[in-house]
Amino acid sequence: DQQVKQNSPSLSVQEGRISILNCDYTNSMFDYFLWYKKYPAEGPTFLISISSIKDKNEDGRFTVFLNKSAKHLSLHIVPSQPGDSAVYFCAAQLQGAQKLVFGQGTRLTINP
Amino acid sequence: EADIYQTPRYLVIGTGKKITLECSQTMGHDKMYWYQQDPGMELHLIHYSYGVNSTEKGDLSSESTVSRIRTEHFPLTLESARPSHTSQYLCASSDGMVPYEQYFGPGTRLTVT
Repeated sequence: DQQVKQNSPSLSVQEGRISILNCDYTNSMFDYFLWYKKYPAEGPTFLISISSIKDKNEDGRFTVFLNKSAKHLSLHIVPSQPGDSAVYFCAAQLQGAQKLVFGQGTRLTINP
Repeated sequence: EADIYQTPRYLVIGTGKKITLECSQTMGHDKMYWYQQDPGMELHLIHYSYGVNSTEKGDLSSESTVSRIRTEHFPLTLESARPSHTSQYLCASSDGMVPYEQYFGPGTRLTVT
């Protein structure tokens, strides 16, 4: 029973355009959502997070949107750059649990 | 800056051998975690610790064991490696504060032949 799902295993976007990565979840008790970026042979690095009481959080080129009624969040990257090519993981924090549940990841490729 | 280290980075070992994957962090974080990840799959939590002498099994059953004798050190041990243990193992730590960010080490790629 996968509580956090990233249904697109890969995404290809042209440099300078917007990249939109999607994530769905099933557990309404998640209170924080995080996005991580992972390069090959490295550990994931934190990108941006959002509280379940917010619907948007922005940090530079990265914006995360949360739609609680649809149990859906998305990460927008504008403009996309070649260095953004990586695997992106969505993660959710269960209220009071101090543990993260991860999605399967989406491989983003930025084409010049 | 996050400082969390894992050794070895890559390990190829024969079936039946005992192995220990090392993880250390210099941030003084109480909470530490071990994840297992296969290509194209999510990170699965296999062990976690909320402090010295505290360890718990994660959501994915694992034949490995862990110990937490010092705050900064959280090693993972496999008593008898099998090919099914081939995977990437990622260690992480957290201060437990909002937004619950976990800092990850570079990982150990384990191959059991």
